[in-house]
Amino acid sequence: RKEVEQDPGPFNVPEGATVAFNCTYSNSASQSFFWYRQDCRKEPKLLMSVYSSGNEDGRFTAQLNRASQYISLLIRDSKLSDSATYLCVVNQRAGSYQLTFGKGTKLSVIP
Amino acid sequence: EAGVVQSPRYKIIEKKQPVAFWCNPISGHNTLYWYLQNLGQGPELLIRYENEEAVDDSQLPKDRFSAERLKGVDSTLKIQPAELGDSAVYLCASSLGGVTEAFFGQGTRLTVV
Repeated sequence: RKEVEQDPGPFNVPEGATVAFNCTYSNSASQSFFWYRQDCRKEPKLLMSVYSSGNEDGRFTAQLNRASQYISLLIRDSKLSDSATYLCVVNQRAGSYQLTFGKGTKLSVIP
Repeated sequence: EAGVVQSPRYKIIEKKQPVAFWCNPISGHNTLYWYLQNLGQGPELLIRYENEEAVDDSQLPKDRFSAERLKGVDSTLKIQPAELGDSAVYLCASSLGGVTEAFFGQGTRLTVV
């Protein structure tokens, strides 16, 4: 079982749609969680951190369920500019901390 | 504030040749990562430094890859000799360490022909 698993996608959605990405992690000692966004041929950039209480940033909502070892990202009112690959990232304690990435889920928002 | 700086951006070399990549992290970031990213995959950790100490290099193919972070600031990743399968994007990232997020450089796209 991979340490961080994501829906492979691709997700093709019309503008204005709501889309949800899921991610599971295997290490129960994981300490912090993030969603990164990566545009084609660019570097990953932090989209948002994920907290146990859930957090929202505009159209983006992230949720964490530690008991189920599950992370989600919800995008409401999708824009064309949201088209990218979304990477789930887990900071795991293995001796010291290390950031482990999922393979990413590709989103295409269609006019 | 300057971000993570990597060079070169692109590199094309023939197989069996050596190649080196350079990274300068964000000022004050003690943790430095080198990741490898293949097309359609997430970044995979090669090596992680805490200051000048390599604390996780378990995924670094040590027969051909080496890295250093002298003085705990900038870092160099080297491949010698390069193989066709080494063609990928090499990403450097830095963080404050612990549970904090990492910030990436633009990466070096390596093509081995």
